[in-house]
Amino acid sequence: QVQLQESGPGLVKPSETLSLTCTVSGGSISTYYWTWIRQPPGKGLEWIGYIYYIGRTNYNPSLRSRVTISIDTSKNQFSLRLISVTAADTAVYYCARVNIAAPTPDAFDMWGQGTMVTVSS
Amino acid sequence: QSVLTQAPSASGTPGQRVTISCSGSTSNIGSNTVNWYQQLPGTAPKLLIYSNNQRPSGVPDRFSGSKSGTSASLAISGLQSEDEADYYCAAWDDSLNGVLFGGGTKLTVL
Repeated sequence: QVQLQESGPGLVKPSETLSLTCTVSGGSISTYYWTWIRQPPGKGLEWIGYIYYIGRTNYNPSLRSRVTISIDTSKNQFSLRLISVTAADTAVYYCARVNIAAPTPDAFDMWGQGTMVTVSS
Repeated sequence: QSVLTQAPSASGTPGQRVTISCSGSTSNIGSNTVNWYQQLPGTAPKLLIYSNNQRPSGVPDRFSGSKSGTSASLAISGLQSEDEADYYCAAWDDSLNGVLFGGGTKLTVL
């Protein structure tokens, strides 16, 4: 059974960089699309972007200037980097796998448990 | 920022059938398939329906999805107390070239 686990700092200072890693276990990271999604406290879900195992990426236009998603197939990990963070970036960050059977890369069938990141000085 | 519109709340009694709706536009629901997620309190979302009406393995057939034009619906029959959760629709948007989520509907089982 494939499992995803997010890791990274729970507290980031304003204007600094948020960095998270998602480790995939129980299966290969190859062949699939992988994505990051976030959820501010008490609010809905926001798609951040995705990466294909060969490195092709696509980002939410509202975050494109600040976000980078990368992948390391040798470690079965993919990562999120968000620069110049503000309080508005405070959220639970989820990593997820895209369902290979869906016609577009927007059905997320495996999720990590999520990690809370607070932006505060 | 959601351009997929959901009612913020819905409710039903055990055994009842409830429907949650999601309204979009020609660039998202009108052109692409719709997915539904269930988020139980304090947990990560779970894929409930993909490609408008397909259930992943393990999802009970009490849950069903449909789409018509630029709107989609999630139906839950034989409502149970454990169905109390937030439900989100999602779809690919051709203008955004990315994924849109609805604002979510909080389902209360009375």
